[in-house]
Amino acid sequence: DTAVSQTPKYLVTQMGNDKSIKCEQNLGHDTMYWYKQDSKKFLKIMFSYNNKELIINETVPNRFSPKSPDKAHLNLHINSLELGDSAVYFCASSQDRDYEQYFGPGTRLTVT
Amino acid sequence: AQKVTQAQTEISVVEKEDVTLDCVYETRDTTYYLFWYKQPPSGELVFLIRRNSFDEQNEISGRYSWNFQKSTSSFNFTITASQVVDSAVYFCALSRYNQGGKLIFGQGTELSVKP
Repeated sequence: DTAVSQTPKYLVTQMGNDKSIKCEQNLGHDTMYWYKQDSKKFLKIMFSYNNKELIINETVPNRFSPKSPDKAHLNLHINSLELGDSAVYFCASSQDRDYEQYFGPGTRLTVT
Repeated sequence: AQKVTQAQTEISVVEKEDVTLDCVYETRDTTYYLFWYKQPPSGELVFLIRRNSFDEQNEISGRYSWNFQKSTSSFNFTITASQVVDSAVYFCALSRYNQGGKLIFGQGTELSVKP
């Protein structure tokens, strides 16, 4: 029944590892997003996809690579994790660009 | 440049008090959208309202109301008769028309409602 789901909810890993976060939405939306929330709760967009096409790519290190296999899924792969990558990552979706976005529960990534 | 400012970092009130959360935005666009989101202690982000720049009508939803004033570039949020369950971080956000839906968030206001 969950509208936007993310797995895993918690991710603890060591520096240098590669990890992925998965996101799925069952709302039939065309647009999906990744946001990062830092330790001060500041939220910043990372990527946006519309109908599986990348439309926003903020100044995010190349170690972050989004992949959208279909309109309902947007995954985030992170290579060579660094301490500074520790944050909460939120996936979101919206009917189309400019509409309200519905967020997943977040994935808390801790890099040690 | 686009910017959203929530000058109140933390607000503490006693239950049943009314409280207003301020949001001031900057944009040169004529078409844009404003949003409020709630982040309770459990961590999820809950959508509350979306407003487009051509609709300055105030909105009321139960105990929540929003005051949009283009003349002062403000989109303030008032909770009437606050309850403990209103304790959360509230974010105001701005998006530009046809720019991919990118939300530009304010810093958030942490509201604590004490019994």
